[in-house]
Amino acid sequence: GESVGLHLPTLSVQEGDNSIINCAYSNSASDYFIWYKQESGKGPQFIIDIRSNMDKRQGQRVTVLLNKTVKHLSLQIAATQPGDSAVYFCAENYGGSQGNLIFGKGTKLSVKP
Amino acid sequence: NAGVTQTPKFRVLKTGQSMTLLCAQDMNHEYMYWYRQDPGMGLRLIHYSVGEGTTAKGEVPDGYNVSRLKKQNFLLGLESAAPSQTSVYFCATSLTGNTEAFFGQGTRLTVV
Repeated sequence: GESVGLHLPTLSVQEGDNSIINCAYSNSASDYFIWYKQESGKGPQFIIDIRSNMDKRQGQRVTVLLNKTVKHLSLQIAATQPGDSAVYFCAENYGGSQGNLIFGKGTKLSVKP
Repeated sequence: NAGVTQTPKFRVLKTGQSMTLLCAQDMNHEYMYWYRQDPGMGLRLIHYSVGEGTTAKGEVPDGYNVSRLKKQNFLLGLESAAPSQTSVYFCATSLTGNTEAFFGQGTRLTVV
């Protein structure tokens, strides 16, 4: 079956460095993608989203890149801070209006001071 | 404005017992979802609803039932709990199928 997956289960970076978290998807019908951040004991929080008609979208310190040719999604965090330490999930909607929002397994980001 | 509220936050069940998890939202969203999250895993979709009176199966629907009698509430039922259903359950809502989903704080369920 088609699914969302992540290349790296864990990522450790130095405070102040940039972080890149990757995600591979295999469903060509997916048209909407979201990155979520989950801190320990909490529900996922929305970070940024991107639609399939875009290649790049920027937020505050975060950028999402979408490469539809290789079905790849990435989240870039600039000047990573200790507060960025969390598990990051990508999610795809390949149901369109059917609302079938599927999550990847997640990447744990650890920021060293 | 509470957003998405899950009840209860914690519960311990014995094998074979039944229970219902409640998700309530005050965001007037059409779409509601139930996920389970196991240690070291992502969120797996159990059931979802695209509007009042409708429900649909997700990735892992077996052993669960849902109902959406009112737009603001989405109930997840376990008829006969099994240890394999020990997990953290998250409810989420979204305005449409292609907009961000907002999550509740989770329900930690242990089946012994």
